[in-house]
Amino acid sequence: QKEVEQNSGPLSVPEGAIASLNCTYSDRVSQSFFWYRQYSGKSPELIMSIYSNGDKEDGRFTAQLNKASQYVSLLIRDSQPSDSATYLCAVNGNAGNMLTFGGGTRLMVKP
Amino acid sequence: DTGVSQDPRHKITKRGQNVTFRCDPISEHNRLYWYRQTLGQGPEFLTYFQNEAQLEKSRLLSDRFSAERPKGSFSTLEIQRTEQGDSAMYLCASSSNRGTGWEKLFFGSGTQLSVL
Repeated sequence: QKEVEQNSGPLSVPEGAIASLNCTYSDRVSQSFFWYRQYSGKSPELIMSIYSNGDKEDGRFTAQLNKASQYVSLLIRDSQPSDSATYLCAVNGNAGNMLTFGGGTRLMVKP
Repeated sequence: DTGVSQDPRHKITKRGQNVTFRCDPISEHNRLYWYRQTLGQGPEFLTYFQNEAQLEKSRLLSDRFSAERPKGSFSTLEIQRTEQGDSAMYLCASSSNRGTGWEKLFFGSGTQLSVL
């Protein structure tokens, strides 16, 4: 079992819709959770971080964390074609000093 | 430009050759990470430094891989006797364990390695 799992997609949504991206992790002692966005041919960039159970909103992005279920999600409201990218979930693993990434979910927002 | 810089952007080599990549982190960042990414996969941790000390290395990393950060500034990653399976994008990232926190990684553009 991979430490951080994501559906590879592609997830296709129409412009203006809500895109929902999901991630599960295996290490119960994980404390910090991140979403990175990676455009094709580019390097990952951090878009959201979340540390406690519940929701965290930043503009059109909302991160949701449920530690009991070992589940993290990212919602993108009013999806735009420019949101089309691969979204990587990253978790602070039990080693404590490096991030473990999932395989990423490719999102396609169609005009 | 104050971002993470990696050199070269692309490297093509023949199997069995040695290659070396360089990473210049954001100047005030004391942590530097190397990750490897293959097509369709997320970045895979290789090793990280805090200042000049190499504090962690992936257990999956072959002995053919070595990294240095001699003065706590730039870092090099060397792969000896390259194999076709080493073909990947090698990403460097830096962060600071002061202020914004070490977990917010800033990635460079990567070095794409192709082993023929």
